[in-house]
Amino acid sequence: EPEVTQTPSHQVTQMGQEVILRCVPISNHLYFYWYRQILGQKVEFLVSFYNNEISEKSEIFDDQFSVERPDGSNFTLKIRSTKLEDSAMYFCASTQATTHEQYFGPGTRLTVT
Amino acid sequence: GNSVTQMEGPVTLSEEAFLTINCTYTATGYPSLFWYVQYPGEGLQLLLKATKADDKGSNKGFEATYRKETTSFHLEKGSVQVSDSAVYFCALIPNTNAGKSTFGDGTTLTVKP
Repeated sequence: EPEVTQTPSHQVTQMGQEVILRCVPISNHLYFYWYRQILGQKVEFLVSFYNNEISEKSEIFDDQFSVERPDGSNFTLKIRSTKLEDSAMYFCASTQATTHEQYFGPGTRLTVT
Repeated sequence: GNSVTQMEGPVTLSEEAFLTINCTYTATGYPSLFWYVQYPGEGLQLLLKATKADDKGSNKGFEATYRKETTSFHLEKGSVQVSDSAVYFCALIPNTNAGKSTFGDGTTLTVKP
């Protein structure tokens, strides 16, 4: 069964460094998402992406964040200058249609020290 | 905006006990509703879903019925096992082009032998 994959599974970085989190969505899906979950808290929406552009973003998704689909298969989340409060689990998701279930990847645990 | 409210946890039950985790939602129109399960240290797994009023989603002995009149999607299981210990998230996807998932706070279930 096709699945969403994410790399790395765990990323440790120093405050102020740039990180890129990578996702490979399911191949025939058209809509892509990033969510984050701070330890012990709820899952929060960051951004949705369709047709090579952002379709919606939350207030969390400020100028330090960007997304890209560089080659038609990968979907990346970049944080330009990480802060301690960016430490969280980041989940990528994809779907065929916006009202259909979203398929989540296993997550990348980002630790900012 | 859209929101999901779950019963507060944590919930501790003995093996073979009956489980109910309440979930109510606020959304315009008729969203699709989901329950996800997150085992310790792992990502989100779709447990069950319902896409229209009166639909019943079921999987692995868990059930939830989409109740439009009470805007609810309560999760139930007749006889829990120790292996059901996890965090359970209720979520919705609106019936619009936005398509982002809105999650509840999560309910931690611990089942004791």
